[in-house]
Amino acid sequence: GEDVEQSLFLSVREGDSSVINCTYTDSSSTYLYWYKQEPGAGLQLLTYIFSNMDMKQDQRLTVLLNKKDKHLSLRIADTQTGDSAIYFCAEFRSNQFYFGTGTSLTVIP
Amino acid sequence: GAVVSQHPSRVICKSGTSVKIECRSLDFQATTMFWYRQFPKQSLMLMATSNEGSKATYEQGVEKDKFLINHASLTLSTLTVTSAHPEDSSFYICSARDHGSSYEQYFGPGTRLTVT
Repeated sequence: GEDVEQSLFLSVREGDSSVINCTYTDSSSTYLYWYKQEPGAGLQLLTYIFSNMDMKQDQRLTVLLNKKDKHLSLRIADTQTGDSAIYFCAEFRSNQFYFGTGTSLTVIP
Repeated sequence: GAVVSQHPSRVICKSGTSVKIECRSLDFQATTMFWYRQFPKQSLMLMATSNEGSKATYEQGVEKDKFLINHASLTLSTLTVTSAHPEDSSFYICSARDHGSSYEQYFGPGTRLTVT
């Protein structure tokens, strides 16, 4: 498809792990990103991964990349209520960013 | 780290008036800035790409005479919504690309425009 796709909603209990999935469009995309958006705010870059990597870990965040399937995931360990937000994946191709539809993560106390 | 500011954060204006939104890169030079529009519970829609010292490149379907973009310096781009109408009410977000790195893009906090 031509769109970067994400599931719209995810609900987890505090302390559990969250996994947010994304399917992107172009296997030649060089960089893939995860952004977080809290209500009424702009986008905060969480992490990014270069296309020649399979995994990147940064504290509670783990990014997995399956280039063959054009699948990107973000795992948040020990999810906290402050992690409730909308998460966007994005791919960098043709010198531009293309954003996914966003996944709204709700953390239940 | 790289910081992008926007001003104002919220603005309410009457139909038919024009509104200017500023986007500034505070601690880096941005040869390219981007303007996005975001509707409630939706993704970002790229409106235009702004290059310092040249005309902006607009995405298909975006009226360049209605959304005027000026990128007069390496740290400032402005978006002017001319003759605003209620359907222009939206969340406008700018981003800036660091001069030295094409794959890093930093976002402003957004401007909530409400046209009454």
